[in-house]
Amino acid sequence: AQSVTQPDIHITVSEGASLELRCNYSYGATPYLFWYVQSPGQGLQLLLKYFSGDTLVQGIKGFEAEFKRSQSSFNLRKPSVHWSDAAEYFCAVVAFSSNTGKLIFGQGTTLQVKP
Amino acid sequence: DSGVTQTPKHLITATGQRVTLRCSPRSGDLSVYWYQQSLDQGLQFLIQYYNGEERAKGNILERFSAQQFPDLHSELNLSSLELGDSALYFCASSSRTGREADTQYFGPGTRLTVL
Repeated sequence: AQSVTQPDIHITVSEGASLELRCNYSYGATPYLFWYVQSPGQGLQLLLKYFSGDTLVQGIKGFEAEFKRSQSSFNLRKPSVHWSDAAEYFCAVVAFSSNTGKLIFGQGTTLQVKP
Repeated sequence: DSGVTQTPKHLITATGQRVTLRCSPRSGDLSVYWYQQSLDQGLQFLIQYYNGEERAKGNILERFSAQQFPDLHSELNLSSLELGDSALYFCASSSRTGREADTQYFGPGTRLTVL
């Protein structure tokens, strides 16, 4: 069965420091992968996605992610974190069935930013 | 702003009651997905509609039902509510059927509290 694992439930980084959030997926075919961010009391905002092509994808707010098939990973990175990046981050994969493609989400990683 | 709207933002009700959550997809999108976010289960797919027809079901209880209307807005009906139904309910929309690589855009969610 398809699954997504985010090994880190909570991460704290200092403002201005670099960030890497880990995501591992389990999927037999070529995965379609997403990162979403959820700020407190807000909905899910799409940061970036990978469908095919270049394995390094750029997203909004200065985020990027790298798809590594050999490691079944799709880690999210940002070179310099801002206080406004504090939020919960979700990695997701599309799980296709006969009729549709639903999103399967990881458990989420909560990012805290220290001043 | 994703372009997906959900009403109401908050809903407080009692056990045994019935509520209706409403979602309007982005302009031009034909698919609507419903997800439930709870502390113990995380984000889980409930059901998808495409152009008025049910496309796929996930972990949706029999007490829950949904429909998509000719104007493409969707409603999620939750009945005989239990304390455990308290959660954040998201809808998402996309332009395609779900069998192709596509992006789901999420609304702000409806927070349901069952007392």
